[in-house]
Amino acid sequence: GAGVSQSPRYKVAKRGQDVALRCDPISGHVSLFWYQQALGQGPEFLTYFQNEAQLDKSGLPSDRFFAERPEGSVSTLKIQRTQQEDSAVYLCASSSPSGTTGTYEQYFGPGTRLTVT
Amino acid sequence: GQQLNQSPQSMFIQEGEDVSMNCTSSSIFNTWLWYKQDPGEGPVLLIALYKAGELTSNGRLTAQFGITRKDSFLNISASIPSDVGIYFCAGPWSSGTYKYIFGTGTRLKVLA
Repeated sequence: GAGVSQSPRYKVAKRGQDVALRCDPISGHVSLFWYQQALGQGPEFLTYFQNEAQLDKSGLPSDRFFAERPEGSVSTLKIQRTQQEDSAVYLCASSSPSGTTGTYEQYFGPGTRLTVT
Repeated sequence: GQQLNQSPQSMFIQEGEDVSMNCTSSSIFNTWLWYKQDPGEGPVLLIALYKAGELTSNGRLTAQFGITRKDSFLNISASIPSDVGIYFCAGPWSSGTYKYIFGTGTRLKVLA
């Protein structure tokens, strides 16, 4: 597709339920990122993949959060036993190395708004 | 978590006015990016800056990489109603890293 897509766009979960959020990156983009955005705040880094390898998961807030990208394209962020503090927008971004600068410009999807009741 | 400081936090302006906002950090950055986020959408990349002192334009938007490498500025000329949204600066934690931190955001409202 032309851009990063995410599904579902909205998810309401009861406390204690497990949820799975999907991200389809821009075709050919090697790098994939997950961010969490609380209301009124900027996005905060959760985890990073290069192809299928999860190179950094330092931003995951607890061991209830798990991300995977088994074939190096689509990624899933899973949250087990959801808590109210997990309510946020979860953003996915992808990027491909910029040949001239060596720096990665990240392109975001529309996000999944998770509400835990 | 750690964030970049943006000012102003919010601003109301009249259509047609020019807008200025800035982003500051306590540490040196080698890359600055500016994003705009509309309600219910993800951030959209506006401008990327890679060299101290660099001035880059994208239509009515102009951004500058501060010479101290600890700040960046975004200007919008002749604002229009669709400029409404939240503007975020972002940059990598450290040189060469993929891991970006985002600013606190500047909320822009344009009065027609």
